[in-house]
Amino acid sequence: QKEVEQDPGPLSVPEGAIVSLNCTYSNSAFQYFMWYRQYSRKGPELLMYTYSSGNKEDGRFTAQVDKSSKYISLFIRDSQPSDSATYLCAMTTPDGYGKLTFGQGTILTVHP
Amino acid sequence: EADIYQTPRYLVIGTGKKITLECSQTMGHDKMYWYQQDPGMELHLIHYSYGVNSTEKGDLSSESTVSRIRTEHFPLTLESARPSHTSQYLCASSEYIAREEKLFFGSGTQLSVL
Repeated sequence: QKEVEQDPGPLSVPEGAIVSLNCTYSNSAFQYFMWYRQYSRKGPELLMYTYSSGNKEDGRFTAQVDKSSKYISLFIRDSQPSDSATYLCAMTTPDGYGKLTFGQGTILTVHP
Repeated sequence: EADIYQTPRYLVIGTGKKITLECSQTMGHDKMYWYQQDPGMELHLIHYSYGVNSTEKGDLSSESTVSRIRTEHFPLTLESARPSHTSQYLCASSEYIAREEKLFFGSGTQLSVL
């Protein structure tokens, strides 16, 4: 069983929609949670970083962590065509020091 | 934008060839990583380094080797490439900022072994 499971998608939504991306994990030692965005033929770039249960907001993006359910989510409000990319969840333990465990990614397409 | 560079971007070679994938960063980061990514699959850590002369194997077994002679440089070598090595290889470096360990990725090398 994979330590991190991510809804594979793909997702196709109209511009302006609210997008929900989700991951579940099985390793309770994971304490730090990240969302990366990866455009085609590019490396992943960090979008959100959280280390506590609850919500963290940054502009149109909200990261949600529920450690009791081992579930994390990323919400994108007012989605734009420029949000079209692959979104990867990632997580690590307190002694992970950058050694991340990734989900398989969700391909998102926002059409005008 | 992160200052981490990978060359070549694309490489097509024949079986049995020795190859080196280059990775350099200008941010002075001590920690560097190599991840492998197949289409539609997770990134898997294959090597990491916490500084000069420090290298460790990651969670995914790999026949590649790495070296870290200079802080800014973290090359990956395959002594004898095989079709099973076909994949995307992503290099990253990280720094600890305000309780967050942030990874910065290069654009990757897409390797195809015929």
